[in-house]
Amino acid sequence: KNQVEQSPQSLIILEGKNCTLQCNYTVSPFSNLRWYKQDTGRGPVSLTIMTFSENTKSNGRYTATLDADTKQSSLHITASQLSDSASYICVVSPLNNNDMRFGAGTRLTVKP
Amino acid sequence: DAGITQSPRHKVTETGTPVTLRCHQTENHRYMYWYRQDPGHGLRLIHYSYGVKDTDKGEVSDGYSVSRSKTEDFLLTLESATSSQTSVYFCAISRTNQETQYFGPGTRLLVL
Repeated sequence: KNQVEQSPQSLIILEGKNCTLQCNYTVSPFSNLRWYKQDTGRGPVSLTIMTFSENTKSNGRYTATLDADTKQSSLHITASQLSDSASYICVVSPLNNNDMRFGAGTRLTVKP
Repeated sequence: DAGITQSPRHKVTETGTPVTLRCHQTENHRYMYWYRQDPGHGLRLIHYSYGVKDTDKGEVSDGYSVSRSKTEDFLLTLESATSSQTSVYFCAISRTNQETQYFGPGTRLLVL
């Protein structure tokens, strides 16, 4: 069973709208949680990184939140743009090893 | 792409043949990683390296071997390719095992 579950699997929104992507994880203890953006045919690119003691981190129109008690994270995208169309991947790093756990991603499509 | 290249970018091979993929970095990062990405799965770690000649197994290492004889190069070898190894392979680098990983553009491998 994957230790990082993301929802929804896919999402379609209109340009200019906001959206929130979810990540639930069972990795414990963990040292940090990252969100990556992956454009089609490209490698993932880091958006945010949060340690277990942080509960929010922003990068422009992207804001990630973390609730370590409930083991949930979310990525909120504000005022979406066509270029936001991509897969968004949640990644959790266990505390004492290098084997990061990747979610399967949420495929976001922004339509004009 | 943070000074990371992968070669080849595309390869078609036959079952039972050996295949070597190359990852080259110009960032002098200590850590290098090989992942595979398949539909419906998150990225899965195959092997990683924490220095020249220092490597360790990841989650899905069976059927793969790696070598790192220089800081800048990390090779992934499929000793005898199977159809189940058809995938997109990504290399990543990081300064430390807790810092952001930077991904290469990927290699698309088809094993017939």
